[in-house]
Amino acid sequence: DIQMTQSPSTLSASVGDRVTITCRASQSISSWLAWYQQKPGKAPKLLIYQASSLESGVPSRFSGSGSGTEFTLTISSLQPDDFATYYCQQYNSYSLGLTFGGGTKVEIK
Amino acid sequence: QVQLVESGGGVVQPGRSLRLSCAASGFTFSSYGMHWVRQAPGKGLEWLAVIWYDGSNKYYADSVKGRFTISRDNSKNTLYMQINSLRAEDTAVYYCARDAAMGPRGFFDYWGQGTLVTVSS
Repeated sequence: DIQMTQSPSTLSASVGDRVTITCRASQSISSWLAWYQQKPGKAPKLLIYQASSLESGVPSRFSGSGSGTEFTLTISSLQPDDFATYYCQQYNSYSLGLTFGGGTKVEIK
Repeated sequence: QVQLVESGGGVVQPGRSLRLSCAASGFTFSSYGMHWVRQAPGKGLEWLAVIWYDGSNKYYADSVKGRFTISRDNSKNTLYMQINSLRAEDTAVYYCARDAAMGPRGFFDYWGQGTLVTVSS
C-alpha cells in the first residue's frame, strides 16, 4: 500500500488568510493526486486532480502543486465557505490500492 | 444532472451479509468506472473497490478483499456492493462515486449522499 500523510491535522485560520496543506506519499506517485473538500454530513467534493488541475466550477483561490512524494493544496484567501475538512488521495496504481490522507480540518480562528 | 443514490444500509448483526445499491442517473452509466468508498463515524475516507465501465476489471482494497464484491448492472444503471461476514469495524457511511473516466482514472468527480451501515448485535 502507498501511505498518504497529511499535515497539519487541524488548522486554525481567519477569513482572508492564505492556507497551505501538505500531503506526503510513502513512495513516488508522479502527479496522480487529487484533493477533496468535505463538510459535515456531506459527501466529499473534488477540488483538484492530477496534482494541479482545477476541477470545473471550483474557485480559482484553490490551487495544487507538487509531484513525486510531496504535494500542497493552497487556498489563497480563505472564505467562510472554505471551513471544512480536506483530503488528499493518490491514484497511482490499482494493484497497490487507492488511498486517502488522514484529512486536515480547517477551523475558524 | 448527475445523481447517485445509495440504498441498502441499516443495522445488521455481526456475521450477516448485506447488499448495497447505487442508482445512477443523469449520465451514461455504462461509460464510467465506478467506486465504493466508506467513512467510519468521525474518521477519514477509505477506498474500497473499483469496477470498470463494462465490469471487465475489478480491484479491491486489501482490507476488504475476499469479503466484499463489487458488481454493476448497466441495463439498470445500478452499482452494487455485496458485503459478507459483517464486522463491527465495517460500521460506516458507504458512498458510491463516479470515476472521472471509463478507464477508470482513479479519482472521483461525483459522489452519492451515502448510506449508513451499522454492525451491531
